Amino acid sequence: ETGVTQTPRHLVMGMTNKKSLKCEQHLGHNAMYWYKQSAKKPLELMFVYNFKEQTENNSVPSRFSPECPNSSHLFLHLHTLQPEDSALYLCASSHGTSGSDEQFFGPGTRLTVL
Amino acid sequence: GQQVMQIPQYQHVQEGEDFTTYCNSSTTLSNIQWYKQRPGGHPVFLIQLVKSGEVKKQKRLTFQFGEAKKNSSLHITATQTTDVGTYFCAVVTGFQKLVFGTGTRLLVSP
Repeated sequence: ETGVTQTPRHLVMGMTNKKSLKCEQHLGHNAMYWYKQSAKKPLELMFVYNFKEQTENNSVPSRFSPECPNSSHLFLHLHTLQPEDSALYLCASSHGTSGSDEQFFGPGTRLTVL
Repeated sequence: GQQVMQIPQYQHVQEGEDFTTYCNSSTTLSNIQWYKQRPGGHPVFLIQLVKSGEVKKQKRLTFQFGEAKKNSSLHITATQTTDVGTYFCAVVTGFQKLVFGTGTRLLVSP
């Protein structure tokens, strides 16, 4: 499946580093999402973008900064992360913006913060 | 906020046995979605249920939405090793965002 791609697939960073995660969807969808998946916790929604506009920030710490330059691309900028931020970060997209549409997920970025 | 509980958290079956996971909500749901995540993979959409009492089938998988629209189940008949993974239900909250359940991890031994 290549509808939603994410890079890098794996990332190791120190707490003082700055890095960015990239997501691209090739499906012509109008909504894009960032999720965090930690061990033993449900998928947590972080951000929602509809038609490039952020419509949801689910109480995410400011060390995570999203950017959506157009409907096909979504970034997650990371700065001064903590070890507890280590997780799988998943990007998803959907055609509709109501939240009730089927979501297509990318393969994820496995992030380790040292 | 909206919480969605799934039971069991984990189940280990022998190939050929049946498997069922349940999703429960304290509030009435407008619809419910089911996703499967293979080990090392990402969630993949399986189905969406909308109507009260709705039952849908996909080969060996049967999905049901409760009459009160507060619970749902996924039943797999005669499991195969390819069914291994974590099954999530997901519900739309009043804020138009998808909330995922805690997931049920299925292990199938040959």
